[in-house]
Amino acid sequence: QSVLTQPPSASGTPGQRVTISCSGSKSNIGRNYVDWYQHVPGTAPKLLIYRNNQRPSGVPDRFSGSKSGTSASLAIGGLRSEDEADYYCAAWDDSLNGRLLFGGGTNLTVL
Amino acid sequence: QVQLAQSGAEVKKPGATVRVSCKASGYTFSSYTIHWVRQAPGRGLEWMGWISGGNGNRKYSQKFEDRVTITSDTSASTAYMDLSRLRFDDAAVYFCARGYSGDDPKIDQWGQGTLVTVSS
Repeated sequence: QSVLTQPPSASGTPGQRVTISCSGSKSNIGRNYVDWYQHVPGTAPKLLIYRNNQRPSGVPDRFSGSKSGTSASLAIGGLRSEDEADYYCAAWDDSLNGRLLFGGGTNLTVL
Repeated sequence: QVQLAQSGAEVKKPGATVRVSCKASGYTFSSYTIHWVRQAPGRGLEWMGWISGGNGNRKYSQKFEDRVTITSDTSASTAYMDLSRLRFDDAAVYFCARGYSGDDPKIDQWGQGTLVTVSS
């Protein structure tokens, strides 16, 4: 059971906007940056968002991140079939003395 | 380009130790950290620990800290993850990944993954 809580699943139709939430606490999301990763099973995970809302080069601007208090969100606009994947949030946790937490992951289905 | 090349699949018996290696290329090994993350079948990503490529500082997940050892050989730009006293539920794909030191882990490059099977 992860300390960063994500919904286990989400879905949307092509072209829609979908939001995935990540809920934590003061010691992790409340005090630290949140990163987001996309993982298609059988491949290596990919960094989508870092520092709450920054996109690495090559990540489309359809992907955006935000953070407020002890929660963070990943939004995917203009949903495409290739967005079907698992999405994970991650953050340092100060109460764990330099340890990293991953959320439990959200499986996104494009209907 | 940046690459992390991991060692091949392993089959181990319960109670054994597995070592997975991760050779980095295309960047200065000592300027970044290496994280180890695993994914068991049907489960999510699970962080195991990290090591600084520069000074060898390391930190382990509390779940694994009595069984995992992460080391590095800076001269070979290679990191290693040893997991001892293997159990059936340690069967997973193990990833190494490059991260940044400081206030954002920003794990931006990943190895291809190493499948570890635990079978008697």
